[in-house]
Amino acid sequence: GQSLEQPSEVTAVEGAIVQINCTYQTSGFYGLSWYQQHDGGAPTFLSYNGLDGLEETGRFSSFLSRSDSYGYLLLQELQMKDSASYFCALGGGYQKVTFGIGTKLQVIP
Amino acid sequence: DAGVTQSPTHLIKTRGQHVTLRCSPISGHKSVSWYQQVLGQGPQFIFQYYEKEERGRGNFPDRFSARQFPNYSSELNVNALLLGDSALYLCASSLGINSNQPQHFGDGTRLSIL
Repeated sequence: GQSLEQPSEVTAVEGAIVQINCTYQTSGFYGLSWYQQHDGGAPTFLSYNGLDGLEETGRFSSFLSRSDSYGYLLLQELQMKDSASYFCALGGGYQKVTFGIGTKLQVIP
Repeated sequence: DAGVTQSPTHLIKTRGQHVTLRCSPISGHKSVSWYQQVLGQGPQFIFQYYEKEERGRGNFPDRFSARQFPNYSSELNVNALLLGDSALYLCASSLGINSNQPQHFGDGTRLSIL
């Protein structure tokens, strides 16, 4: 099977940078995705790492290291609207995606 | 363009009943996946359908079934409802079938079992 671990809660200050880590156990996977979900809302795709290294999309960056079974999501220039839950997710065959339990990010003034 | 639409938005059922949830994918998307999300947890994969065929199934009992129609919309059926089936049921669509394709989620159906 597959399992992921990420911190349950993170608090950061508006304008700062925050990193949300994700470690995983799997016998094989295609890539690591990140999704954002506001309370009462639908998950929204943020990024995908199919290869090791850094992917940058605006204020968000994501990193994957297969040798370390580790990835992270980096959010820069934090805004109040970034307060949400963030999920890392392992892509298996086709789209049998396994999600972590999520990290609740609170951005404070 | 319309996003993924799900109906109904809320539903209350009692134990032992049956429920059907519906999903319309984004136009042009041929893949539909279903997830169950319990409060405080991440979404759990239930099914994936592509071109009307089941392409993946998660660890859910046979009480859960689904199908995809020629217009790529999909239904999730759950029989003999249990209290533990209370959750948010999410539908996601994508252009292709591979896991590198971003999934676009609907707002979900919140199912409460009494």
